[in-house]
Amino acid sequence: GQNIDQPTEMTATEGAIVQINCTYQTSGFNGLFWYQQHAGEAPTFLSYNVLDGLEEKGRFSSFLSRSKGYSYLLLKELQMKDSASYLCAVSDSNYQLIWGAGTKLIIKP
Amino acid sequence: IAGITQAPTSQILAAGRRMTLRCTQDMRHNAMYWYRQDLGLGLRLIHYSNTAGTTGKGEVPDGYSVSRANTDDFPLTLASAVPSQTSVYFCASSEGMGNQPQHFGDGTRLSIL
Repeated sequence: GQNIDQPTEMTATEGAIVQINCTYQTSGFNGLFWYQQHAGEAPTFLSYNVLDGLEEKGRFSSFLSRSKGYSYLLLKELQMKDSASYLCAVSDSNYQLIWGAGTKLIIKP
Repeated sequence: IAGITQAPTSQILAAGRRMTLRCTQDMRHNAMYWYRQDLGLGLRLIHYSNTAGTTGKGEVPDGYSVSRANTDDFPLTLASAVPSQTSVYFCASSEGMGNQPQHFGDGTRLSIL
């Protein structure tokens, strides 16, 4: 079966750095997405990785290792507004997204 | 502002009733999707459409139907609602399937009693 695993919840301090991990087992791989979802709102796109390595976009970076079925989202200089759920999703062999349950990130002052 | 509009925002529905959730996008995206989001689970794909005139089944299609008569609209119909269909429903669109980021509507919160 297809499976995306990510921690249910993480806590971090304002101004710090946090890494949210995602491991996947899917039938085929056509890229991995990270989305942010604030409570009661729609998911919004953060990043896309299809090749191994690190993609940096401002305070957010995303890393992919296809051989390990592993990705992480790195958030630097955390702000209170970063409190949200972070969703990992993999595009499978049919180009359909398989979604993880999300990691709820709590930022404390 | 370009984007996706879903209606209604929320609805309480009696079991057995028919309900259509509306979704309209103005970005001229080819692909559209319907997901449901339940607590503790990832988004699950109900139905999708690669382009106007075509639709496909996702992971959890039973009890739902869709149509794609034109590029902009992608309604989702529950023919006879059941309590297990209580969920938050998101419509999304992308330029194409697979490698393009999906843009989401604000969701419809549906409660079936």
